[in-house]
Amino acid sequence: NAGVMQNPRHLVRRRGQEARLRCSPMKGHSHVYWYRQLPEEGLKFMVYLQKENIIDESGMPKERFSAEFPKEGPSILRIQQVVRGDSAAYFCASSPWDGTEAFFGQGTRLTVV
Amino acid sequence: QQQVKQSPQSLIVQKGGISIINCAYENTAFDYFPWYQQFPGKGPALLIAIRPDVSEKKEGRFTISFNKSAKQFSLHIMDSQPGDSATYFCAARSNTNNNDMRFGAGTRLTVKP
Repeated sequence: NAGVMQNPRHLVRRRGQEARLRCSPMKGHSHVYWYRQLPEEGLKFMVYLQKENIIDESGMPKERFSAEFPKEGPSILRIQQVVRGDSAAYFCASSPWDGTEAFFGQGTRLTVV
Repeated sequence: QQQVKQSPQSLIVQKGGISIINCAYENTAFDYFPWYQQFPGKGPALLIAIRPDVSEKKEGRFTISFNKSAKQFSLHIMDSQPGDSATYFCAARSNTNNNDMRFGAGTRLTVKP
C-alpha cells in the first residue's frame, strides 16, 4: 500500500505562471488536507476536501488559489499567476473517513523565480 | 486563526534529558489528538496519538499527557537522543465539521550530544 504521493517533488515557476501540485491519497482514504510550510515555520492549513467536495477552505487565499479532489484522480492544488511569496513547501495529507491517522506526503517544494 | 496553540517554538535539551512540548485548544469538539514528527526535507510522520477518554498514553520513550478539563495536552520525550532532533507538531481533530484536523505551529527540538 503506497503512501501519500505528491508530485512533483520540486517545482520551479516564473512569476506569472501557473503551478499545479498533485496529491494522490493513500488507498481507501477519502479525506485530503493541504498545508503550506514556509522555511523554519509550522504548517498552515489551507483546505480540507473530501471526494468532489470542498469542506473547509478557510485557509486558502481568496485569489489565485484553488483546490479540487475529483471523483477519479488525484487532488490538485492550483496556484495561478504565481508570485515570489508563494515559494514554500506544500504538503498534503490524507486520512480515512473517520479522520484519524492522517498521513503526509513528502511535499512539493515550489520555487518562484 | 490558530485553533491549536503550541509551545515552545523551539527547545534545546541535553542528551538523556526530558523534552516537553505543550499544546492547548479551545474547541471542545476536538476528540483525537495526534503528534507528528518532521525531519528536514521530509513530510510530517505520525508519532503517537491519544483520545480524550484516557489521561496518558506511552509508546517507548514517547508519552502523551492529556488534561481534558484544562484543554491541554503535552508530549514528553524521555531520555532524549540527538536522533530525536526534529520539528514536532501537535494536532487535533474535530468530531464535527467532517473530521477536520488542525495543527499547532510546531516546536523545533534540538538534542545536544
